[in-house]
Amino acid sequence: NAGVTQTPKFQVLKTGQSMTLQCAQDMNHNSMYWYRQDPGMGLRLIYYSASEGTTDKGEVPNGYNVSRLNKREFSLRLESAAPSQTSVYFCASSAYGGANYGYTFGSGTRLTVV
Amino acid sequence: AQSVTQLDSQVPVFEEAPVELRCNYSSSVSVYLFWYVQYPNQGLQLLLKYLSGSTLVKGINGFEAEFNKSQTSFHLRKPSVHISDTAEYFCAVSEGRDDKIIFGKGTRLHILP
Repeated sequence: NAGVTQTPKFQVLKTGQSMTLQCAQDMNHNSMYWYRQDPGMGLRLIYYSASEGTTDKGEVPNGYNVSRLNKREFSLRLESAAPSQTSVYFCASSAYGGANYGYTFGSGTRLTVV
Repeated sequence: AQSVTQLDSQVPVFEEAPVELRCNYSSSVSVYLFWYVQYPNQGLQLLLKYLSGSTLVKGINGFEAEFNKSQTSFHLRKPSVHISDTAEYFCAVSEGRDDKIIFGKGTRLHILP
């Protein structure tokens, strides 16, 4: 009963390094989302994919890229990490969209950029 | 565009006392409203949601929320809290059944012994 799986759980990067955060869901959901969580800021939407083959920008897309590899997988890439990208990143999925079904969240990736 | 305001960043309350966590939203269209809970070092879980119908919504763990369209509010309540309710609570809004969800900044609930 995996749900939404995120890897890695923890990561430390040096400024300027690149990395990809992986997310996979096994619930046959159509929509997937990437959020970042910062103290006092709540969750802010970075990118989302309403269905396989589509991606759209959220509130804070700068410095990130995404790939909806297939229906199961939605990755988030930091091309050149900056200290401002230190955050906890959550992936989420939903069957057809947020309202009817709510989201299922992964357990998060804690990223530190030094 | 829709937005959510959680009026309190932290709420301390004694165990077995009632609690209300406040949430106001803004939107130009009909909305769908949610409360999520995040326990320490975990992801978010759905507590309850309002899509339509009765304005009083009951969720898991004894929580309920009331949708008030005239006051654009969706406050979360519990009549008697337990130490296990210690968590951060997020109010969220969506403007459509297939639209993305926008979250508030969260309210930390501290249960005092």
